[in-house]
Amino acid sequence: DADVTQTPRNRITKTGKRIMLECSQTKGHDRMYWYRQDPGLGLRLIYYSFDVKDINKGEISDGYSVSRQAQAKFSLSLESAIPNQTALYFCATSDSGTGGNTIYFGEGSWLTVV
Amino acid sequence: SQKIEQNSEALNIQEGKTATLTCNYTNYSPAYLQWYRQDPGRGPVFLLLIRENEKEKRKERLKVTFDTTLKQSLFHITASQPADSATYLCALGGGSQGNLIFGKGTKLSVKP
Repeated sequence: DADVTQTPRNRITKTGKRIMLECSQTKGHDRMYWYRQDPGLGLRLIYYSFDVKDINKGEISDGYSVSRQAQAKFSLSLESAIPNQTALYFCATSDSGTGGNTIYFGEGSWLTVV
Repeated sequence: SQKIEQNSEALNIQEGKTATLTCNYTNYSPAYLQWYRQDPGRGPVFLLLIRENEKEKRKERLKVTFDTTLKQSLFHITASQPADSATYLCALGGGSQGNLIFGKGTKLSVKP
Protein backbone atom coordinates (compact mmCIF):
# COMPACT_ATOMS: atom_id res chain seq x y z
CA ASP A 1 0.00 0.00 0.00
CA ALA A 2 1.09 3.54 -0.72
CA ASP A 3 2.40 5.63 2.17
CA VAL A 4 0.43 8.66 0.98
CA THR A 5 -3.00 7.88 -0.45
CA GLN A 6 -5.15 10.33 -2.32
CA THR A 7 -8.83 9.95 -3.24
CA PRO A 8 -10.26 10.35 -5.75
CA ARG A 9 -7.52 9.75 -8.30
CA ASN A 10 -9.59 11.28 -11.08
CA ARG A 11 -12.61 13.53 -10.96
CA ILE A 12 -14.57 15.57 -13.45
CA THR A 13 -16.81 18.18 -11.90
CA LYS A 14 -18.90 21.08 -13.07
CA THR A 15 -18.24 24.74 -12.51
CA GLY A 16 -19.70 25.91 -9.21
CA LYS A 17 -19.71 22.49 -7.57
CA ARG A 18 -17.99 21.74 -4.29
CA ILE A 19 -15.30 19.11 -4.48
CA MET A 20 -13.13 17.57 -1.78
CA LEU A 21 -9.84 15.77 -2.28
CA GLU A 22 -8.81 13.54 0.57
CA CYS A 23 -5.39 12.46 1.70
CA SER A 24 -4.23 9.97 4.28
CA GLN A 25 -0.71 8.91 5.23
CA THR A 26 0.85 6.03 7.09
CA LYS A 27 4.32 7.52 7.47
CA GLY A 28 3.61 9.04 10.87
CA HIS A 29 4.73 12.48 9.70
CA ASP A 30 3.57 15.65 11.34
CA ARG A 31 3.73 17.82 8.25
CA MET A 32 1.31 17.60 5.36
CA TYR A 33 0.99 19.63 2.18
CA TRP A 34 -1.25 20.20 -0.81
CA TYR A 35 0.34 21.17 -4.13
CA ARG A 36 -1.05 21.70 -7.58
CA GLN A 37 0.91 21.11 -10.76
CA ASP A 38 0.21 22.77 -14.07
CA PRO A 39 2.19 22.43 -17.32
CA GLY A 40 4.82 25.15 -17.48
CA LEU A 41 4.17 26.34 -13.93
CA GLY A 42 5.61 23.50 -11.92
CA LEU A 43 4.57 22.57 -8.40
CA ARG A 44 2.88 25.29 -6.39
CA LEU A 45 2.04 25.07 -2.72
CA ILE A 46 -1.63 25.59 -1.83
CA TYR A 47 -1.74 24.91 1.92
CA TYR A 48 0.46 23.24 4.49
CA SER A 49 0.02 21.98 8.01
CA PHE A 50 2.82 21.35 10.49
CA ASP A 51 0.50 19.65 12.96
CA VAL A 52 -3.21 19.19 13.56
CA LYS A 53 -3.67 22.68 14.99
CA ASP A 54 -1.33 24.49 12.62
CA ILE A 55 -2.58 25.27 9.10
CA ASN A 56 -0.99 27.81 6.83
CA LYS A 57 -1.66 29.31 3.42
CA GLY A 58 0.81 28.63 0.68
CA GLU A 59 1.55 30.43 -2.53
CA ILE A 60 -1.89 29.99 -4.15
CA SER A 61 -4.54 29.45 -1.48
CA ASP A 62 -7.34 31.58 -2.96
CA GLY A 63 -10.36 29.43 -3.86
CA TYR A 64 -9.22 26.55 -1.67
CA SER A 65 -9.69 25.48 1.93
CA VAL A 66 -8.26 22.62 3.96
CA SER A 67 -9.03 20.56 7.02
CA ARG A 68 -6.57 18.55 9.11
CA GLN A 69 -8.85 15.98 10.69
CA ALA A 70 -6.08 13.99 12.32
CA GLN A 71 -2.33 13.66 12.10
CA ALA A 72 -2.79 11.24 9.24
CA LYS A 73 -5.55 13.04 7.30
CA PHE A 74 -5.50 16.29 5.37
CA SER A 75 -8.28 17.21 2.95
CA LEU A 76 -8.46 19.94 0.32
CA SER A 77 -11.76 21.54 -0.69
CA LEU A 78 -12.76 23.65 -3.63
CA GLU A 79 -15.92 25.36 -2.41
CA SER A 80 -17.03 26.49 -5.85
CA ALA A 81 -14.89 24.94 -8.56
CA ILE A 82 -13.88 26.97 -11.60
CA PRO A 83 -12.24 25.78 -14.84
CA ASN A 84 -8.83 27.27 -14.05
CA GLN A 85 -8.64 24.93 -11.08
CA THR A 86 -8.27 22.08 -13.53
CA ALA A 87 -4.90 20.59 -12.57
CA LEU A 88 -3.05 17.66 -11.06
CA TYR A 89 -3.16 17.89 -7.27
CA PHE A 90 -0.64 16.28 -4.95
CA CYS A 91 -0.79 15.63 -1.26
CA ALA A 92 2.57 15.25 0.43
CA THR A 93 4.12 14.69 3.83
CA SER A 94 7.42 15.28 5.57
CA ASP A 95 8.80 14.80 9.02
CA SER A 96 9.59 17.70 11.31
CA GLY A 97 13.35 17.33 11.41
CA THR A 98 15.56 20.27 10.63
CA GLY A 99 18.15 18.44 8.61
CA GLY A 100 16.47 18.72 5.26
CA ASN A 101 12.90 17.54 5.04
CA THR A 102 12.33 15.04 2.27
CA ILE A 103 8.86 15.40 0.79
CA TYR A 104 6.88 12.22 0.14
CA PHE A 105 4.19 12.68 -2.49
CA GLY A 106 0.99 10.83 -3.16
CA GLU A 107 0.13 9.57 -6.61
CA GLY A 108 -1.88 12.64 -7.48
CA SER A 109 -5.51 13.51 -8.14
CA TRP A 110 -6.48 14.65 -11.61
CA LEU A 111 -9.25 17.24 -11.36
CA THR A 112 -11.09 18.57 -14.37
CA VAL A 113 -13.59 21.39 -13.96
CA VAL A 114 -15.93 21.79 -16.93
CA SER B 1 11.54 37.55 -5.11
CA GLN B 2 13.01 34.07 -4.85
CA LYS B 3 13.51 32.38 -8.18
CA ILE B 4 14.59 28.93 -9.28
CA GLU B 5 15.43 28.16 -12.88
CA GLN B 6 16.02 24.81 -14.43
CA ASN B 7 17.36 26.17 -17.62
CA SER B 8 16.35 23.36 -19.94
CA GLU B 9 12.72 22.41 -20.30
CA ALA B 10 13.85 19.33 -22.21
CA LEU B 11 17.12 17.48 -22.70
CA ASN B 12 17.64 14.70 -25.23
CA ILE B 13 20.68 12.48 -25.02
CA GLN B 14 21.92 9.16 -26.32
CA GLU B 15 22.02 6.06 -24.15
CA GLY B 16 25.34 5.63 -22.40
CA LYS B 17 26.13 9.34 -22.30
CA THR B 18 26.17 11.51 -19.18
CA ALA B 19 23.13 13.70 -18.67
CA THR B 20 23.77 17.01 -16.93
CA LEU B 21 20.86 19.06 -15.62
CA THR B 22 21.22 22.55 -14.18
CA CYS B 23 19.40 24.33 -11.37
CA ASN B 24 20.08 28.02 -10.73
CA TYR B 25 18.55 30.22 -8.08
CA THR B 26 18.44 33.89 -7.12
CA ASN B 27 17.45 35.92 -4.07
CA TYR B 28 17.70 32.89 -1.84
CA SER B 29 20.14 31.31 0.59
CA PRO B 30 19.08 27.69 0.94
CA ALA B 31 20.45 25.43 3.62
CA TYR B 32 20.03 22.44 1.31
CA LEU B 33 18.97 21.44 -2.15
CA GLN B 34 17.08 18.34 -3.23
CA TRP B 35 16.52 16.57 -6.53
CA TYR B 36 13.36 14.64 -7.36
CA ARG B 37 12.34 12.40 -10.24
CA GLN B 38 8.82 12.54 -11.65
CA ASP B 39 7.34 10.08 -14.12
CA PRO B 40 4.29 11.09 -16.18
CA GLY B 41 1.12 11.20 -14.10
CA ARG B 42 2.97 10.20 -10.93
CA GLY B 43 4.12 12.02 -7.83
CA PRO B 44 7.73 13.21 -7.57
CA VAL B 45 10.14 10.84 -5.85
CA PHE B 46 13.09 12.02 -3.78
CA LEU B 47 16.55 11.19 -5.15
CA LEU B 48 19.28 13.17 -3.39
CA LEU B 49 19.84 15.92 -0.87
CA ILE B 50 22.94 18.09 -0.66
CA ARG B 51 23.61 20.63 2.08
CA GLU B 52 25.12 24.09 1.68
CA ASN B 53 28.42 22.96 3.20
CA GLU B 54 28.75 19.99 0.82
CA LYS B 55 30.28 20.34 -2.61
CA GLU B 56 29.28 17.01 -4.06
CA LYS B 57 27.07 14.02 -3.28
CA ARG B 58 26.91 10.69 -5.11
CA LYS B 59 24.43 7.83 -5.23
CA GLU B 60 25.04 5.01 -7.67
CA ARG B 61 25.02 6.64 -11.14
CA LEU B 62 23.83 9.98 -9.79
CA LYS B 63 26.01 12.90 -8.80
CA VAL B 64 24.95 16.29 -7.49
CA THR B 65 27.10 19.35 -7.00
CA PHE B 66 26.18 22.50 -5.10
CA ASP B 67 27.97 25.80 -5.60
CA THR B 68 26.58 28.45 -3.24
CA THR B 69 28.81 31.12 -4.79
CA LEU B 70 27.44 30.53 -8.27
CA LYS B 71 24.01 29.73 -6.77
CA GLN B 72 23.87 26.63 -8.88
CA SER B 73 23.44 22.88 -8.63
CA LEU B 74 24.36 20.38 -11.30
CA PHE B 75 22.72 16.96 -11.46
CA HIS B 76 24.54 14.27 -13.42
CA ILE B 77 23.37 10.83 -14.52
CA THR B 78 26.27 8.78 -15.82
CA ALA B 79 25.87 5.89 -18.27
CA SER B 80 22.31 7.01 -18.91
CA GLN B 81 19.63 4.49 -19.82
CA PRO B 82 16.20 4.84 -21.44
CA ALA B 83 14.70 4.04 -18.02
CA ASP B 84 16.21 7.30 -16.76
CA SER B 85 13.79 9.20 -19.00
CA ALA B 86 11.64 11.34 -16.71
CA THR B 87 11.25 14.89 -15.47
CA TYR B 88 13.75 15.94 -12.83
CA LEU B 89 12.90 18.66 -10.32
CA CYS B 90 15.23 20.59 -8.09
CA ALA B 91 13.98 22.02 -4.81
CA LEU B 92 15.53 24.44 -2.36
CA GLY B 93 14.90 24.40 1.35
CA GLY B 94 15.92 25.64 4.75
CA GLY B 95 15.62 29.29 3.90
CA SER B 96 13.61 32.01 5.57
CA GLN B 97 10.33 31.06 3.93
CA GLY B 98 10.36 27.66 5.56
CA ASN B 99 9.05 25.40 2.81
CA LEU B 100 10.67 23.77 -0.18
CA ILE B 101 10.58 25.78 -3.37
CA PHE B 102 10.46 23.66 -6.53
CA GLY B 103 11.82 24.39 -9.96
CA LYS B 104 9.66 23.68 -12.99
CA GLY B 105 11.66 20.64 -13.96
CA THR B 106 13.69 19.38 -16.89
CA LYS B 107 12.29 16.57 -19.02
CA LEU B 108 15.08 14.14 -19.85
CA SER B 109 14.73 11.74 -22.77
CA VAL B 110 17.37 9.05 -23.21
CA LYS B 111 17.30 7.48 -26.65
CA PRO B 112 18.51 3.92 -27.28
